[in-house]
Amino acid sequence: EDKVVQSPLSLVVHEGDTVTLNCSYEVTNFRSLLWYKQEKKAPTFLFMLTSSGIEKKSGRLSSILDKKELFSILNITATQTGDSAIYLCAVRFGSNYKLTFGKGTLLTVNP
Amino acid sequence: KAGVTQTPRYLIKTRGQQVTLSCSPISGHRSVSWYQQTPGQGLQFLFEYFSETQRNKGNFPGRFSGRQFSNSRSEMNVSTLELGDSALYLCASSRRQEGTEAFFGQGTRLTVV
Repeated sequence: EDKVVQSPLSLVVHEGDTVTLNCSYEVTNFRSLLWYKQEKKAPTFLFMLTSSGIEKKSGRLSSILDKKELFSILNITATQTGDSAIYLCAVRFGSNYKLTFGKGTLLTVNP
Repeated sequence: KAGVTQTPRYLIKTRGQQVTLSCSPISGHRSVSWYQQTPGQGLQFLFEYFSETQRNKGNFPGRFSGRQFSNSRSEMNVSTLELGDSALYLCASSRRQEGTEAFFGQGTRLTVV
């Protein structure tokens, strides 16, 4: 069965800490992996990864994909309270480009 | 350009009723996917429409159905509502090509009482 698993499910840190969120997947005919941030309602797009070993970076956030070991990580350095959110990982796969989400990681950053 | 628009934003229905939710994708996007989000289950895939045809389907009962119109707008219908259908329903649009991401609407919060 195709699946996307995120860990940890929740995480509490202090401002200034660095966090690493994990996403592993088992799918047939992998196409791409996407990261989203969800604060209240609509998830907002962060990164899309298709190739192994190429880091995507945006400010304090970065992500990398390992297609051999079937996982991705999302790093957030110098965390701020505004980083508190659910971080979702999704994988697009198959001939129909189906997009399946993990359950998400709830990150809480305390001042 | 305008984002993904979902209507209504909030809805309260009673058990046994039916409901129709609407999603207008970003201009030029031909794929619309629907998801149900609950605290315990996370984001669960309902179905995807592309060019007015259902291309992918999740593991939901037949009470959940959808359709897509020629202008790519999509509707989702839930019949015979149950309390457990209370959730945030999100739709996402994309061009449905390998190198494109999906953009989400603000969602419809459905409460079944």
